[in-house]
Amino acid sequence: AQRVTQPEKLLSVFKGAPVELKCNYSYSGSPELFWYVQYSRQRLQLLLRHISRESIKGFTADLNKGETSFHLKKPFAQEEDSAMYYCALKPPGGGNKLTFGTGTQLKVEL
Amino acid sequence: DTAVSQTPKYLVTQMGNDKSIKCEQNLGHDTMYWYKQDSKKFLKIMFSYNNKELIINETVPNRFSPKSPDKAHLNLHINSLELGDSAVYFCASSHVGAESPLHFGNGTRLTVT
Repeated sequence: AQRVTQPEKLLSVFKGAPVELKCNYSYSGSPELFWYVQYSRQRLQLLLRHISRESIKGFTADLNKGETSFHLKKPFAQEEDSAMYYCALKPPGGGNKLTFGTGTQLKVEL
Repeated sequence: DTAVSQTPKYLVTQMGNDKSIKCEQNLGHDTMYWYKQDSKKFLKIMFSYNNKELIINETVPNRFSPKSPDKAHLNLHINSLELGDSAVYFCASSHVGAESPLHFGNGTRLTVT
């Protein structure tokens, strides 16, 4: 069974500090991993996906198959980064079930 | 133009009532979903339709019945509403394929009193 774990429910950092939102997954195979973000009173939206290997809004995430992790990182937090972040997993080769982690609320303080 | 739109945005109703939430997408996607976000912000898939065909049906009470008249619409009908049904319901759509991200609607906040 596929499972996504985000151990931190709330992460509070100061502006300018580095941010790391943890995500671990369990899946026997090579899934697709995503990070979604939900800003206050807005819809859930895709932030980035591991297959793209891109940096979005300064965030990056590296898939570590050995540790089955997909942590989200940003070197310098901005106030506008405050939001709810969800790590999500999709099985490869068909099957559209996107399984979300429990989410981490990021709060960036001045 | 809104890509995935849900109506209504807020829904307050009494226990025992029957209500529907509508969802439409104009992205040309062939797969649509319903997700439930509970009070602890936990997101869980409820249903998924591909070209009007049900492909994912999680352990959801049969009081919940999705209906897809065409691949651009996926409505959610809920019978005999219970207090525990209070949540935010998100509709989403995507292309088929593991690498295809989901596009979400704004959510419908359902409150059952």
